[in-house]
Amino acid sequence: NAGVTQTPKFQVLKTGQSMTLQCAQDMNHEYMSWYRQDPGMGLRLIHYSVGAGITDQGEVPNGYNVSRSTTEDFPLRLLSAAPSQTSVYFCASSYRAGGTEAFFGQGTRLTVV
Amino acid sequence: GESVGLHLPTLSVQEGDNSIINCAYSNSASDYFIWYKQESGKGPQFIIDIRSNMDKRQGQRVTVLLNKTVKHLSLQIAATQPGDSAVYFCAENLNTGNQFYFGTGTSLTVIP
Repeated sequence: NAGVTQTPKFQVLKTGQSMTLQCAQDMNHEYMSWYRQDPGMGLRLIHYSVGAGITDQGEVPNGYNVSRSTTEDFPLRLLSAAPSQTSVYFCASSYRAGGTEAFFGQGTRLTVV
Repeated sequence: GESVGLHLPTLSVQEGDNSIINCAYSNSASDYFIWYKQESGKGPQFIIDIRSNMDKRQGQRVTVLLNKTVKHLSLQIAATQPGDSAVYFCAENLNTGNQFYFGTGTSLTVIP
């Protein structure tokens, strides 16, 4: 059972470039989310989805877009990368939004130069 | 314990000793709590959870204590091993909510 799979593991972008971070889960979880992790700070929620076709903003959504066309996939798009988006990004999924364990991917380390 | 800020709290313990990691949570309405372990270069990994109708829950070598009066969680690790070296996060959640709120983490170093 693969769990939550993120690609790529590492990425370097130039300012202004766009890219998509991929996230897929094989646990048939309804809830998926994206977090960013910066040094000395906890995980901060970017966007989340409570099911296919439904997405919503988290704490730090600016500069990011998401879509959820299938239960399995939840890609995160950076529209025009900025150095402030240099971070480690984690995708997570859970059976439902509240009251259950979230499973995390291995992370994508993104550097914007 | 955990706190908001730029510096990660650290805890160093001798191998074989018990470790206690503390966390102050923010929302008195939170009713579900998780401790996660994050090793370097990896994603957070579930350790143990507790619901607000409990004060204590035990797992294998780990115990979580919940004090709702002062909004405090603690994680106790018995007979700490070098493999326990990691950053530990607490997370709070509402059963009817739609996101987790994470603490900044505590870095645990086990000295052989």
